[in-house]
Amino acid sequence: DVVMTQSPRSLPVTLGQPASISCRSSQSLVYIDGNTYLGWFHQRPGQSPRRLIYQVSNRDSGVPDRFSGSGSDTDFTLKISRVEAEDAGVYYCMQGSHWPPYTFGQGTKLEIK
Amino acid sequence: EVQLLESGGRLVQPGGSLRLSCAASGFTFSSHAMNWVRQAPGKGLEWVSGIIGSGGSTYYADPVKGRFTISRDNSKNILYLQMSSLRAEDTAVYYCARGIYFIMGGMVDFWGQGTLVTVSS
Repeated sequence: DVVMTQSPRSLPVTLGQPASISCRSSQSLVYIDGNTYLGWFHQRPGQSPRRLIYQVSNRDSGVPDRFSGSGSDTDFTLKISRVEAEDAGVYYCMQGSHWPPYTFGQGTKLEIK
Repeated sequence: EVQLLESGGRLVQPGGSLRLSCAASGFTFSSHAMNWVRQAPGKGLEWVSGIIGSGGSTYYADPVKGRFTISRDNSKNILYLQMSSLRAEDTAVYYCARGIYFIMGGMVDFWGQGTLVTVSS
């Protein structure tokens, strides 16, 4: 199984400041169709996950442009340019290139200082 | 608007059985693979099972293989997860999640609100 390793596990951030989360995979996530199936999800307490980013760097509809994804092969990053209060919660990366199973990172808890 | 609504979660004794359902609307259900993903209390996300759009192929995570069965009724737009020989470690919120393609592989996009399964005596 592909192991997804996120860091940091906890991320205290001041409102208006940037934030960055790293996700590394144990194998290259380039799929046989040439795409890289790495996504980022945000989960607020008591809610289901919401996808923010798909295929490394594509923002989902309605996702603010302060969110950006980058990376390639085994090394990926989610950046928030200026953190807002609604960004608090847990962020997960997920890979869909090597399955079964799909696998997730352990999660990064972003808290507002 | 894509909507996924899970149901069927409850308290069940170890060794018992349970069937979860996920009612889908707002998209062509048979054109998408579907998945079950679970989250134990206070823990992260774990993919459990997936099924292609036609229902012709199914896939399972090792911890549930041989105990859980995924299926779908494309005439009713419902996804199911039949769970048997339940263990305490199966306690979790179970989410259904839509795949982006007819086949497995790729990514999931939309998630339901989840249904809680508690396995305890």
